[in-house]
Amino acid sequence: KQEVTQIPAALSVPEGENLVLNCSFTDSAIYNLQWFRQDPGKGLTSLLLIQSSQREQTSGRLNASLDKSSGRSTLYIAASQPGDSATYLCAVKYTGNQFYFGTGTSLTVIP
Amino acid sequence: ETGVTQTPRHLVMGMTNKKSLKCEQHLGHNAMYWYKQSAKKPLELMFVYNFKEQTENNSVPSRFSPECPNSSHLFLHLHTLQPEDSALYLCASSQERQPHTEAFFGQGTRLTVV
Repeated sequence: KQEVTQIPAALSVPEGENLVLNCSFTDSAIYNLQWFRQDPGKGLTSLLLIQSSQREQTSGRLNASLDKSSGRSTLYIAASQPGDSATYLCAVKYTGNQFYFGTGTSLTVIP
Repeated sequence: ETGVTQTPRHLVMGMTNKKSLKCEQHLGHNAMYWYKQSAKKPLELMFVYNFKEQTENNSVPSRFSPECPNSSHLFLHLHTLQPEDSALYLCASSQERQPHTEAFFGQGTRLTVV
């Protein structure tokens, strides 16, 4: 069974700090990896998609990296803001239709 | 808005009721998904439809019945649910068989079974 782990489960940082969220997966034969943001009681918003052939993707203050050989991805958030407070989920896709999700990292940015 | 719309946003139903959740996508995607999200657990895939054909059924109890009349609409019919079925139900869509297979999610339906 494919497993996706996210560490830490919760993180609290002061505003302005740079931070890194981690995602690890057991099977390195991935198709792609996607990072999502989820606000309480809401759906998932796609942040970044990294194809298996890519090493990183950037969007604004967000940078996601992928190291397939070690089964890891990181999401780097620069200059964090209170509006970044949310749960961040990573999802791994293999061939076939299923996306495998981690349990998420709950981020709180303190003003 | 992600292009995936779910209705209703909130639903409270008794264990003997029958209700349906609706999902609609306007992205031209060919695959649609139902996920269940319970507290402290990863998202659980329930059903996948690819070109209107069901391709995945992750051992979901028969009290959940999906329907995909066309590639833009997906329903989840509910009957005789249990309190432990209370959760956030999320619909997603993607364009399969493309290199850039990105999933887009709706806002979810918060279901409470009483």
